[in-house]
Amino acid sequence: GAVVSQHPSRVICKSGTSVKIECRSLDFQATTMFWYRQFPKKSLMLMATSNEGSKATYEQGVEKDKFLINHASLTLSTLTVTSAHPEDSSFYICSARLTVVQFFGPGTRLTVL
Amino acid sequence: RKEVEQDPGPFNVPEGATVAFNCTYSNSASQSFFWYRQDCRKEPKLLMSVYSSGNEDGRFTAQLNRASQYISLLIRDSKLSDSATYLCAVILNTGGFKTIFGAGTRLFVKA
Repeated sequence: GAVVSQHPSRVICKSGTSVKIECRSLDFQATTMFWYRQFPKKSLMLMATSNEGSKATYEQGVEKDKFLINHASLTLSTLTVTSAHPEDSSFYICSARLTVVQFFGPGTRLTVL
Repeated sequence: RKEVEQDPGPFNVPEGATVAFNCTYSNSASQSFFWYRQDCRKEPKLLMSVYSSGNEDGRFTAQLNRASQYISLLIRDSKLSDSATYLCAVILNTGGFKTIFGAGTRLFVKA
């Protein structure tokens, strides 16, 4: 299958700081990438769809000014959690689509103190 | 009604058992179907595609029933390493492709 990387794998930050997470498709180009959040023992929750060269599409209830998404190239999308708070602590997973199949990055575990 | 529904389980089965999961979808325009596996604290990984004609990969068999709008995953001769959450994924083509994931079914295989 296609390879998607995500960096960092784990981050601990203080409340009020911003955290940037990178998602890369390593062996294919992805015009569309997706950002998910997952709380322990809960299902994946789609946050937004990242489109190369245009604005991201956010799901209902997801603050676009809080979760900034940039998809500047066909292999890179970034998610910035701005002014993070403890309730933002979660597992953030990106995925990239190759034809119709989504391949996931390994995820970023964010802990906000 | 959710677009994609799965029995959350958990399914607790002994090693060697055969276990089956179903996933129902509501949109008849759904085009493609997949099963993913997610281990604890890890990302989902593509397990297999699902076709009307059925798809078998070793101990795993996936089936699609378009008339009844469900897909299934059968695991034969369960191994301890099969313990995971299994997510079904349904692709809609609504002018662009949209993937809807089920909430997942948890499987515990015990010795």
